[in-house]
Amino acid sequence: GAVVSQHPSRVICKSGTSVKIECRSLDFQATTMFWYRQFPKKSLMLMATSNEGSKATYEQGVEKDKFLINHASLTLSTLTVTSAHPEDSSFYICSAGPGTSGIDEQFFGPGTRLTVL
Amino acid sequence: AQSVTQPDIHITVSEGASLELRCNYSYGATPYLFWYVQSPGQGLQLLLKYFSGDTLVQGIKGFEAEFKRSQSSFNLRKPSVHWSDAAEYFCAVGESALIFGKGTTLSVSS
Repeated sequence: GAVVSQHPSRVICKSGTSVKIECRSLDFQATTMFWYRQFPKKSLMLMATSNEGSKATYEQGVEKDKFLINHASLTLSTLTVTSAHPEDSSFYICSAGPGTSGIDEQFFGPGTRLTVL
Repeated sequence: AQSVTQPDIHITVSEGASLELRCNYSYGATPYLFWYVQSPGQGLQLLLKYFSGDTLVQGIKGFEAEFKRSQSSFNLRKPSVHWSDAAEYFCAVGESALIFGKGTTLSVSS
């Protein structure tokens, strides 16, 4: 099956700094990728849709200036958490799909655990 | 509104006993339905999916799920639970971006 990777798997940063998380599709191209956030013992919430070559689409309530998304190529999307604060600590997961057979089945990355001190 | 409901927050099952995790959905179009499992600190692993056709879907690790359109349900089942099945289980619906339920924590007792 299709493989999606994320880097880093775990990051700890100081409050006020920015952190970049990468999401890569390893064996397929993806014009669209999705970023989710998972709070402890909670469901995954869609944050934004990352579109190659255009601006990301953010879900209601997600601050686009805090969570910067760049879909630089057909295999790479990045999520930058700017001026991170402890409340941004969470598990961030991306997904992407090869978009074959008319159904954009999604494959999930392993996630990135962000801890802001 | 589109949504997924997993009524059971936490379920404990004895090892070797059968398991059923409930999932109800609300979705305007033909639903594409998924069950994922997540072990502590890990990413999501797809157990099974339903796109169309046979409403009884077989997945990995001995899991199966049945799509019942009349009940808007997609319940996950396993005939005999193993201790290694203890994890968080998520039901999801969607065509690309997914809507997830809040998850059911499965504990397995010996």
